[in-house]
Amino acid sequence: QSALTQPASVSGSPGQSITISCAGTSSDVGGYNYVSWYQQNPGKAPKLMIYEVINRPSGVSNRFSGSKSGNTASLIISGLQTEDEAHYYCSSYSPNRILVFGGGTKLTVL
Amino acid sequence: EVQLVESGGVLVQPGGSLRLSCAASGFSFSRYSMKWVRQAPGKGLEWVSHITGSSSTIYYADSVKGRFTVSRDNAKNSLYLQMNSLRDEDTALYYCGRDSGYGGGIDVWGPGTMVTVSS
Repeated sequence: QSALTQPASVSGSPGQSITISCAGTSSDVGGYNYVSWYQQNPGKAPKLMIYEVINRPSGVSNRFSGSKSGNTASLIISGLQTEDEAHYYCSSYSPNRILVFGGGTKLTVL
Repeated sequence: EVQLVESGGVLVQPGGSLRLSCAASGFSFSRYSMKWVRQAPGKGLEWVSHITGSSSTIYYADSVKGRFTVSRDNAKNSLYLQMNSLRDEDTALYYCGRDSGYGGGIDVWGPGTMVTVSS
């Protein structure tokens, strides 16, 4: 059982927007602005997409954005493209466990 | 080019030992904390260990505490994970990652090295 809770799957059509949630507690997601999001394609290493809840690393499309409300963080992908189909993982700093991950969400672009 | 490359993953029997290595290049290795993260086949990501740039602070996940030891050699730009008393549940792809400095996120990942624990 993962420390952070994500939906197992989400789907959307090209051009649409989708949101992936990441639910934690006040001891991790809710207590710190240290949520990151990763994209993982089959057979590849994860890629950092969002850090510190809302920030995008250089080179990441501005179609990807992040937010947080209380103990739940969200990854929003706008203008869905077929190349966005992948697994997405959230992570958060946690003083007790240093880094906790969500169980991952498979995004299907229909 | 910033790069991490893991090595050392093999098939090992339960109770056995293994040492993973991670070679870093393209950045000032000693300035960064580093992490090990693993992914069991078909499963999600699990943080394993964290080590600061000077090796002054080290953390482990409860699942590996007392069995795994992380270390680094900044002169060789290398990170290591000594794995003892291996169990079936340690079977996974092991990634090394560079701590971004922003709340523990990982901004650079290696391709991973596969560890299989089986008799």
